[in-house]
Amino acid sequence: DGGITQSPKYLFRKEGQNVTLSCEQNLNHDAMYWYRQDPGQGLRLIYYSQIVNDFQKGDIAEGYSVSREKKESFPLTVTSAQKNPTAFYLCASSIGRRLHKYNEQFFGPGTRLTVL
Amino acid sequence: AQTVTQSQPEMSVQEAETVTLSCTYDTSENNYYLFWYKQPPSRQMILVIRQEAYKQQNATENRFSVNFQKAAKSFSLKISDSQLGDTAMYFCAFMNNAGNMLTFGGGTRLMVKP
Repeated sequence: DGGITQSPKYLFRKEGQNVTLSCEQNLNHDAMYWYRQDPGQGLRLIYYSQIVNDFQKGDIAEGYSVSREKKESFPLTVTSAQKNPTAFYLCASSIGRRLHKYNEQFFGPGTRLTVL
Repeated sequence: AQTVTQSQPEMSVQEAETVTLSCTYDTSENNYYLFWYKQPPSRQMILVIRQEAYKQQNATENRFSVNFQKAAKSFSLKISDSQLGDTAMYFCAFMNNAGNMLTFGGGTRLMVKP
């Protein structure tokens, strides 16, 4: 059963703590993405990776870090430098532009992070 | 940088009626890709329909169709025979020609009333 999994669904952390959100895909997709969604707003790109061991900053990368050591995994760390980390985080993956012109993105179920 | 604007924060429609959601975008690229995503209360993002800028013909997917006006940089979504399950947030999204960046609009909350 192919898809994208994100864990956990809900996450609570104390202010000042780093926290890592998991994203795994078994679609054999080259590219993976992290988005942040605030209440009543659209998605904003945090980081993306088009290939293993490579990633680029999106529009709101400050206070976040990522790694891409394996094709199927793209974890996101929310650091204490992120001023307002409480949000809904969505991970996505796509096959990659070299394989399909639309390169449409498929999304995981999301993680709701609340910083207390 | 590209921008995507959805000017209708909320809309409602009666079941079985037709509704159109608006989307405009700004870009200097000649070829690009446009998408409509649906986000129901479960918050799972679901692709509804897609369109390539080079294609003149408007895309259709069952009850969903688009009106793509390239010169006006407009990409509206029409939902025919609205169903209760269509109740959701709808996001318009722009993908650049390089295919590595997806820019979303602010969304339109659609309520289908019985």
